Amino acid sequence: DTGVSQDPRHKITKRGQNVTFRCDPISEHNRLYWYRQTLGQGPEFLTYFQNEAQLEKSRLLSDRFSAERPKGSFSTLEIQRTEQGDSAMYLCASSQGHIPYVLTFGAGSRLTVL
Amino acid sequence: GESVGLHLPTLSVQEGDNSIINCAYSNSASDYFIWYKQESGKGPQFIIDIRSNMDKRQGQRVTVLLNKTVKHLSLQIAATQPGDSAVYFCAENKGLRDNYGQNFVFGPGTRLSVLP
Repeated sequence: DTGVSQDPRHKITKRGQNVTFRCDPISEHNRLYWYRQTLGQGPEFLTYFQNEAQLEKSRLLSDRFSAERPKGSFSTLEIQRTEQGDSAMYLCASSQGHIPYVLTFGAGSRLTVL
Repeated sequence: GESVGLHLPTLSVQEGDNSIINCAYSNSASDYFIWYKQESGKGPQFIIDIRSNMDKRQGQRVTVLLNKTVKHLSLQIAATQPGDSAVYFCAENKGLRDNYGQNFVFGPGTRLSVLP
């Protein structure tokens, strides 16, 4: 297992287009998280899965955002009708299902909305 | 509101010197803390963690100190090396008390620059 993988690493899109990011967590981790990071800021929590169940969503996750983890393994984060304010690094992390819940992050998917 | 913050946004140190990066937190319910290192173009990388029942924990060249009285966390890096240049984040969590452990709150980060 090479850690948390994210794809694509970079995405440039025009405003109004839809984009989808994929995350493959560490195989034995049953918890998966999505964070957003803008320049000069720390990561901000978006949503969290335990296995296939989405247990919490941040208020940052507007109705244009949707995340899935259909089989409790990989996850996708889709942004519909992108806006320039969506430009950010989208980080995926996973953790084991017991204390301590150390997050292992992927390298991130950088989104630029023109 | 509840927040995690840092006293210094940037820190420059001479190679070989010790570095101290500080973090203040305001949520008294937080009982688990992690320091992350983020290099340019990469995701945050775990450095060291500490639970609230401890006040000090040491790793390889790093030490984390926790002062719950003043809600202060620090990361000490001994003999700082060029490879330590990165942004460092502290993150707090109530994960040892709730069932989910998903509520990590990150500070804005401190950029550490190591001078030759």
